[in-house]
Amino acid sequence: DSGVTQTPKHLITATGQRVTLRCSPRSGDLSVYWYQQSLDQGLQFLIQYYNGEERAKGNILERFSAQQFPDLHSELNLSSLELGDSALYFCASSVRAAKNTEAFFGQGTRLTVV
Amino acid sequence: GNSVTQMEGPVTLSEEAFLTINCTYTATGYPSLFWYVQYPGEGLQLLLKATKADDKGSNKGFEATYRKETTSFHLEKGSVQVSDSAVYFCALSANTGNQFYFGTGTSLTVIP
Repeated sequence: DSGVTQTPKHLITATGQRVTLRCSPRSGDLSVYWYQQSLDQGLQFLIQYYNGEERAKGNILERFSAQQFPDLHSELNLSSLELGDSALYFCASSVRAAKNTEAFFGQGTRLTVV
Repeated sequence: GNSVTQMEGPVTLSEEAFLTINCTYTATGYPSLFWYVQYPGEGLQLLLKATKADDKGSNKGFEATYRKETTSFHLEKGSVQVSDSAVYFCALSANTGNQFYFGTGTSLTVIP
């Protein structure tokens, strides 16, 4: 158990809908990252938050947004969903945002858009 | 930019065989390098890491050496077990924010 909790584990929704994925980082970790894992794109970095502030953006679509709350949990919002958004979404957390810091991953939320 | 190129899979080995999974990288600055492992239905777990040139990371019999001259971080294990069957990801962290860049993953199956 990595200590990173993601809910829900599975989500099935229709095209055009909006969903929210939730992540609770390990106790004491200030940095949260979101990644998308799909068969054709592999593991892609989406966005990072550090202590409530956005720290870095990767390949995140404009239809997607995220935030980190004062209690450090984070939510990833996906809207106007398309079939191609079906993927496994991982959250990771680390104590610091320094480059040699191990990141701990949750078990992921599998999103299926039908 | 930053990127990781990883050996294509899938790889199938017999138990006790020698394993090598190749990984090369391109990075700005001086990256830290990682190997993560993903077992079926689970998230990624850190296997080992190296933070500077010539460092060797090791864990559970796996090893990888950070080679700056060849920009490589190949994963090796002398004798694989059935329980090593998983997908292995090479990754780098090169920015102050610590976001990771992953390779495509290599699926390993070890047969008895």
